[in-house]
Amino acid sequence: SQKIEQNSEALNIQEGKTATLTCNYTNYSPAYLQWYRQDPGRGPVFLLLIRENEKEKRKERLKVTFDTTLKQSLFHITASQPADSATYLCALGRGSSNTGKLIFGQGTTLQVKP
Amino acid sequence: DAGVTQSPTHLIKTRGQQVTLRCSPKSGHDTVSWYQQALGQGPQFIFQYYEEEERQRGNFPDRFSGHQFPNYSSELNVNALLLGDSALYLCASSFLSNLNSGANVLTFGAGSRLTVL
Repeated sequence: SQKIEQNSEALNIQEGKTATLTCNYTNYSPAYLQWYRQDPGRGPVFLLLIRENEKEKRKERLKVTFDTTLKQSLFHITASQPADSATYLCALGRGSSNTGKLIFGQGTTLQVKP
Repeated sequence: DAGVTQSPTHLIKTRGQQVTLRCSPKSGHDTVSWYQQALGQGPQFIFQYYEEEERQRGNFPDRFSGHQFPNYSSELNVNALLLGDSALYLCASSFLSNLNSGANVLTFGAGSRLTVL
């Protein structure tokens, strides 16, 4: 069955360092992959989308890579700040034939210490 | 511009009861999806509604049903509640045209926290 795995342990880093989060998947061929941020008691907030034919996407301090051969995405936050502390979710989706459903990983909690 | 609004924010029910959760999508969005998020887990897709019809459904039993109204708002109904139904129920909205182009970017509400005793 389809499976998405993110680092189950919380990631603790020092302010100013680069945080790298991993998303691995099996038994799935996504057309795109997304990253969301979720704060306690809130719904997820969309951050970035990367398509299967793209290798890398950037937005301000965020960078996402997508390797369909390794079936892996890496999510980087450079110059991390305490305000970046949250749970980060990766989500996979297919094209128009299966547009409604996103499959989410369990999320990785990032803690940035001042 | 209001985002996705959900009600109630918290509720407590007992086993066997029924619950209705409500969602108003972001202004201009026409598609509503519902997700269930258990503690410490990622959201799981329940179903999606467009033009008042269920377009797609995840692996949830028939106890979970929904409805979309002409103004695009939506309800999620769960019958015969089980302890395992305790979770955060998230509503997400989007544009169908974006879905069909493969850019299924969701705007989530804050969720309804359901506790079943």
